[in-house]
Amino acid sequence: TQLLEQSPQFLSIQEGENLTVYCNSSSVFSSLQWYRQEPGEGPVLLVTVVTGGEVKKLKRLTFQFGDARKDSSLHITAAQPGDTGLYLCAGHGNKLVFGAGTILRVKS
Amino acid sequence: GAVVSQHPSRVICKSGTSVKIECRSLDFQATTMFWYRQFPKQSLMLMATSNEGSKATYEQGVEKDKFLINHASLTLSTLTVTSAHPEDSSFYICSATLPSGGVAGTLEQYFGPGTRLTVT
Repeated sequence: TQLLEQSPQFLSIQEGENLTVYCNSSSVFSSLQWYRQEPGEGPVLLVTVVTGGEVKKLKRLTFQFGDARKDSSLHITAAQPGDTGLYLCAGHGNKLVFGAGTILRVKS
Repeated sequence: GAVVSQHPSRVICKSGTSVKIECRSLDFQATTMFWYRQFPKQSLMLMATSNEGSKATYEQGVEKDKFLINHASLTLSTLTVTSAHPEDSSFYICSATLPSGGVAGTLEQYFGPGTRLTVT
């Protein structure tokens, strides 16, 4: 069974701070996706990374896929209250496997 | 593009009754849809994979007679919670993959807005 360990589970920071969320696995994934979900809504796809070592930037968000395609990170620069939400990583192996999620709260 | 809708967004029902939740792909055809269940502040738990024109594939531990899935067309899948009980109260989310797979070789999923089920 492929598992994705996501950390931290909960993060509460002040506006303007930087943060990193990690997803790690012992399994290799053909691709990995990051989603953001707000309360009472479905997850929204942020990015898909496919190539080992790949780095993608989406405004203040930087996504990395590990060289071995077993891990990924999401870095947010100068977090804003609007970044608050549940962040989920999902690895594409035999099926889409979700991490446990990171609840991010950005205080103004 | 890649919009998925769910109906209803919120439903309250009495214990013992059945509830049907619809999932529609609005601007594309989806041969495969997925049904998830989510508890507060937790990740998504895959319940079943819904295949158009064939039986759904259920994850281990999910009762197929309890959670009936029908994928009658390329744009509609339904989940019926039969004889609902308070422990079935949850947030149910469906998703669909783009026929092309989006980024080559990936399984990008587009999620519906979810349905909040409360069983009293």
